[in-house]
Amino acid sequence: TQLLEQSPQFLSIQEGENLTVYCNSSSVFSSLQWYRQEPGEGPVLLVTVVTGGEVKKLKRLTFQFGDARKDSSLHITAAQPGDTGLYLCAGHSGGSNYKLTFGKGTLLTVNP
Amino acid sequence: NAGVTQTPKFRVLKTGQSMTLLCAQDMNHEYMYWYRQDPGMGLRLIHYSVGEGTTAKGEVPDGYNVSRLKKQNFLLGLESAAPSQTSVYFCASSLADSKNYEQYFGPGTRLTVT
Repeated sequence: TQLLEQSPQFLSIQEGENLTVYCNSSSVFSSLQWYRQEPGEGPVLLVTVVTGGEVKKLKRLTFQFGDARKDSSLHITAAQPGDTGLYLCAGHSGGSNYKLTFGKGTLLTVNP
Repeated sequence: NAGVTQTPKFRVLKTGQSMTLLCAQDMNHEYMYWYRQDPGMGLRLIHYSVGEGTTAKGEVPDGYNVSRLKKQNFLLGLESAAPSQTSVYFCASSLADSKNYEQYFGPGTRLTVT
């Protein structure tokens, strides 16, 4: 069974601070996705990384896929209250597997 | 496009009652999924469907049934609700041509069973 461990589980920071959250596994994934879920809403896809070592940027968010494709990180620069939410990583094992493996998420609170 | 919609948004049931949650998507996606989300447990897959007329069990299927009679709709049924089924339920869909099976989620249904 493939598992994705996310850390930290909770993170509370002040506006303007930088932060990094992690998504780790002992299994290799063909791709990894990051979602953000705001309170009372469903998860929304932010990015997909598919190549080992790949770095993708989305405004102040930087996503990195580990060289061995077993882990990923999300770095937020100068966090804003609008970044508050649950950040979920999800891995796809490849082939015709229709399912994703989801981590339990990091709940980020950015205080003004 | 509305994307993925779910009805109802909230529901309170008594133990033993039944109900059906409806998920609809207008993106012509082949694959559809039902998850439940509980504090500390993350998203857990209940059932999924890879096409009209097909369904399959996920990680936590007991106590639930599903049907996919039309490509755009995926129904989740609870025949005899139990307090352990109190949760937030999310439907998602994805495109068959997507190599990475990115999923698009609905807004969720918050169900309380008393």
